[in-house]
Amino acid sequence: NAGVTQTPKFRVLKTGQSMTLLCAQDMNHEYMYWYRQDPGMGLRLIHYSVGEGTTAKGEVPDGYNVSRLKKQNFLLGLESAAPSQTSVYFCASSYETVAGRESDTQYFGPGTRLTVL
Amino acid sequence: AQKITQTQPGMFVQEKEAVTLDCTYDTSDPSYGLFWYKQPSSGEMIFLIYQGSYDQQNATEGRYSLNFQKARKSANLVISASQLGDSAMYFCAMTGTASKLTFGTGTRLQVTL
Repeated sequence: NAGVTQTPKFRVLKTGQSMTLLCAQDMNHEYMYWYRQDPGMGLRLIHYSVGEGTTAKGEVPDGYNVSRLKKQNFLLGLESAAPSQTSVYFCASSYETVAGRESDTQYFGPGTRLTVL
Repeated sequence: AQKITQTQPGMFVQEKEAVTLDCTYDTSDPSYGLFWYKQPSSGEMIFLIYQGSYDQQNATEGRYSLNFQKARKSANLVISASQLGDSAMYFCAMTGTASKLTFGTGTRLQVTL
């Protein structure tokens, strides 16, 4: 039982390049999320998915796209990377999001450190 | 909109002592969940403890307890018998009716000998 895994762990891009971050979970969770973490700040939600085939925008969605073709996978794409997207990216998943229930606890992957030059 | 405030950028505690990390929150949602996560220097986010807004008792998980004071909108984390391995960044977070976990800016805890 690996929980939430992310690939790659590190990546360096040049401005304008594209890439895809892969998140996989083996907990049969319905909900999946992508966050970014910048120095001195907590995590901020980029996009999320409430089930296979669905996606929605979070707090900071600009410059990113996502897809959830399979329940266990959630992909984050950068079409044209910018230095402002240098950050640590975390994927998370949860069983449900009924606020006030422990089942809405989000479990995080190990993170991907992305540098855009 | 939800907001989490952690006013302690850094804290020091001696090994074996207890420490309280402060967290206050603001929300208009009637139902919400409160969480604490630990982020060691290796970078991963580790779930520590959960408190539901309707829970009557404070949550406990081993050496971690959450001091939940609903009227004051506070959800402080108490770590008893601190260990060197507790040195890390600690984040308070909450969920509400939207599918979103709102984080505070974190408190860096350093456990000393």
